[in-house]
Amino acid sequence: NAGVTQTPKFRILKIGQSMTLQCTQDMNHNYMYWYRQDPGMGLKLIYYSVGAGITDKGEVPNGYNVSRSTTEDFPLRLELAAPSQTSVYFCATQSLAGTYEQYFGPGTRLTVT
Amino acid sequence: AQSVSQHNHHVILSEAASLELGCNYSYGGTVNLFWYVQYPGQHLQLLLKYFSGDPLVKGIKGFEAEFIKSKFSFNLRKPSVQWSDTAEYFCAVNRGYSTLTFGKGTMLLVSP
Repeated sequence: NAGVTQTPKFRILKIGQSMTLQCTQDMNHNYMYWYRQDPGMGLKLIYYSVGAGITDKGEVPNGYNVSRSTTEDFPLRLELAAPSQTSVYFCATQSLAGTYEQYFGPGTRLTVT
Repeated sequence: AQSVSQHNHHVILSEAASLELGCNYSYGGTVNLFWYVQYPGQHLQLLLKYFSGDPLVKGIKGFEAEFIKSKFSFNLRKPSVQWSDTAEYFCAVNRGYSTLTFGKGTMLLVSP
């Protein structure tokens, strides 16, 4: 099992460009999350989903959009990239099987210049 | 809103020294508590977790943590650190299947 995979690993965007960060899981977990990690700030929740077709905003959703059409995929869309979106983005999943822990993907390092 | 506070942003230790990283949370009621570790250039991995039962939990790589409900604390400990423990450590809390709230992290540097 691959677990949680994210693509791309690295990306440089120009201001105003758009892109989609991909997240795919093969763990059959219902819950999926997108976080951004900035130095010294810990992880901030951007969006999350409790199942296909259901998404909700986290702590820092502005400038981002998500969709969840399948259990496996949870892409994060940046429409108009801004320098403030320079960060490392992590996708995570969580099972409904009672363990409550989250499993993280390897991350995408995004630079907006 | 719940919050998680990690006492130290940076800790520098020599190999074989003992480690204790502090974590306090603000949320009242039943919580689940986690410590995650992030090695340089890697993603977060679970070190240990507490849901209920024995407040002293043991995790991977010789780490343990103690949940003290009266102090809203969940401190991470290791009796003797190794150079390979150099990493960033995150405390996190949630209730049931609610979203995780992370602390800002503690960067541990172990010198050989």
